[in-house]
Amino acid sequence: DTEVTQTPKHLVMGMTNKKSLKCEQHMGHRAMYWYKQKAKKPPELMFVYSYEKLSINESVPSRFSPECPNSSLLNLHLHALQPEDSALYLCASSQASGEWETQYFGPGTRLLVL
Amino acid sequence: GDSVTQMEGPVTLSEEAFLTINCTYTATGYPSLFWYVQYPGEGLQLLLKATKADDKGSNKGFEATYRKETTSFHLEKGSVQVSDSAVYFCQAAGNKLTFGGGTRVLVKP
Repeated sequence: DTEVTQTPKHLVMGMTNKKSLKCEQHMGHRAMYWYKQKAKKPPELMFVYSYEKLSINESVPSRFSPECPNSSLLNLHLHALQPEDSALYLCASSQASGEWETQYFGPGTRLLVL
Repeated sequence: GDSVTQMEGPVTLSEEAFLTINCTYTATGYPSLFWYVQYPGEGLQLLLKATKADDKGSNKGFEATYRKETTSFHLEKGSVQVSDSAVYFCQAAGNKLTFGGGTRVLVKP
């Protein structure tokens, strides 16, 4: 199984809502990533988890809160988002992040903040 | 800091034409280099990679060679198909993960 799954595929939320994005992989990977991708732009790294511990936070606003409950799951909790946070949110995983390895990406969650 | 520069698109080609997408990087040390492809409405997929100087990555007819002297990792394909229409991203993985801006390729029948 070389698949990274993400749910939901699409999400519409108001600025006062709380929602969560979910990512799952069963490849035994120990590094997991959240990226944000705006239209016609490259993905921007947000967070990296290595062995279930947060290892990189790219100065992401606190309205985004990541969580890694176990080695297969990665969540992104969203609260009080702004319309400019509307984007495609991509999850990825890799063997480990000690040396950068090939990343396997999920299909993304397309988020619209109204 | 680390950076990756790709040629801007869109690149429009006819089927069976030769494709080159330029990628140059700036990084400390010796980064691993990757090409990813993103089809419409999908996430990114690894196309090929190279981890040290003079390595050649290849997959599905695409090739790229890690050139340390020119800090480049240009992507080439000898004969493109309509199904190659996508956005291509070059990535350098050194002290940090850095994507280029992406190059949109449109192949017409």
